[in-house]
Amino acid sequence: GESVGLHLPTLSVQEGDNSIINCAYSNSASDYFIWYKQESGKGPQFIIDIRSNMDKRQGQRVTVLLNKTVKHLSLQIAATQPGDSAVYFCAENLNSGGYQKVTFGIGTKLQVIP
Amino acid sequence: GAVVSQHPSWVICKSGTSVKIECRSLDFQATTMFWYRQFPKQSLMLMATSNEGSKATYEQGVEKDKFLINHASLTLSTLTVTSAHPEDSSFYICSVGGFGTSGGLETQYFGPGTRLLVL
Repeated sequence: GESVGLHLPTLSVQEGDNSIINCAYSNSASDYFIWYKQESGKGPQFIIDIRSNMDKRQGQRVTVLLNKTVKHLSLQIAATQPGDSAVYFCAENLNSGGYQKVTFGIGTKLQVIP
Repeated sequence: GAVVSQHPSWVICKSGTSVKIECRSLDFQATTMFWYRQFPKQSLMLMATSNEGSKATYEQGVEKDKFLINHASLTLSTLTVTSAHPEDSSFYICSVGGFGTSGGLETQYFGPGTRLLVL
C-alpha cells in the first residue's frame, strides 16, 4: 500500500547470491502489480509486472510471486550483480470504473556487496 | 514501453519565483500523464493526473493553484511550481501510461526526474 517512511528498509546481498525483496500491498481489489527499480537520481524503471490471475511470472533473472491470500508480492533476483544495487518499489494498480489508481510501496534498498 | 523525457533535469531557483518542468512522451501519444514528487529516501507520491485537453485531477492535499499543470498536446505536459518555497524542494517525476508485458495500459513509464532546489 501507500506508505511514507523516513528510512528505507535495506537488504544487503553478496554478489552472486539470490535476492528476495518483499512487499505487502493494501487493497485486495488491486488487479495488477508492477516492480520498479530506481537508481540514485533517476526515475523508476519498469522491471516486471503480474496480473492478479497469476501467482508467478518470470523474466530475465527476475521472478515475481504474488500471494493474494496474504496480499504479498515478492521480487526474486537471481545471481545478484553490482548493477542491481538500487531502490526497488512495488506498485499496485486498481482499475475502478475505468480509472486507474496506482499506489507505490515504501521501497527497499538493495545493496550488493562485491 | 514508453520513452519519457523531462526538462530540465536540475533547477535551482530563488524563493518566490516560478519554475516550469516539462514532460515529454517521445514515442507514445499519451492522453494521460502523471506527476509525482519524491522526497529523499521516500516513495513516490502522486500529485496529479494530467489529462490532455482538460483539467488535471489533483490528489488530496495538493494545491492546484500552486502546482499548475498543462497538458496541451498528446506528447507534452508541464508542471509549474508557482511562488516556490524551500519546502517545495524535491524530486519531481512524470510518467505516462503504456503497455506492460502483461498487456493493458496500466503500466507507467517514468521520466528521469527533475530535481528542484529552492533557495
